[in-house]
Amino acid sequence: DTGVSQNPRHKITKRGQNVTFRCDPISEHNRLYWYRQTLGQGPEFLTYFQNEAQLEKSRLLSDRFSAERPKGSFSTLEIQRTEQGDSAMYLCASSLAYADTQYFGPGTRLTVL
Amino acid sequence: KNEVEQSPQNLTAQEGEFITINCSYSVGISALHWLQQHPGGGIVSLFMLSSGKKKHGRLIATINIQEKHSSLHITASHPRDSAVYICAVSGAGGTSYGKLTFGQGTILTVHP
Repeated sequence: DTGVSQNPRHKITKRGQNVTFRCDPISEHNRLYWYRQTLGQGPEFLTYFQNEAQLEKSRLLSDRFSAERPKGSFSTLEIQRTEQGDSAMYLCASSLAYADTQYFGPGTRLTVL
Repeated sequence: KNEVEQSPQNLTAQEGEFITINCSYSVGISALHWLQQHPGGGIVSLFMLSSGKKKHGRLIATINIQEKHSSLHITASHPRDSAVYICAVSGAGGTSYGKLTFGQGTILTVHP
């Protein structure tokens, strides 16, 4: 257990539905990252926060994706109008500062039917 | 061409063998990370290095900044080392600091 938690651990949804995932980082960590991993591939960067500010968003993220980190604590990642191509493991990681080791959560596995 | 390339993609070894996984990258970096991922998804950071060599137990990681190459070695491999090993690099400029770019991973299987 790295101290980073993600909920839910698994989500099965039908195409077109909206889903929201939550990440609780290690409490004193300023940086929070979201990554996505499809089967057999390495993770890909989605977005990251420095405290409550979203500093970068990947070109992989369509307008259907939105992330927030209110008050610089937990973060949510919402996917609207899900598509089958959104099926993946969504990983959250946090670090104390930009140059530090990242601690990963267990991930949320999304299956879109 | 991916910014981070790992080899081999799959590696099978017998218990006790010395194992090497290689990683090459093509961008400027602030640090290189070696990560371990077990079935079920959990990722654990093994090393973060920006120069030289680090050792932790039976694991050794080296990096050559000039050649943009890193290696992860496992001495006296054991079946519990079976996992996916992922190389990742932290960006070196602007908002890229800290953001990781990952290789595809190396699937390691160690047989008893």
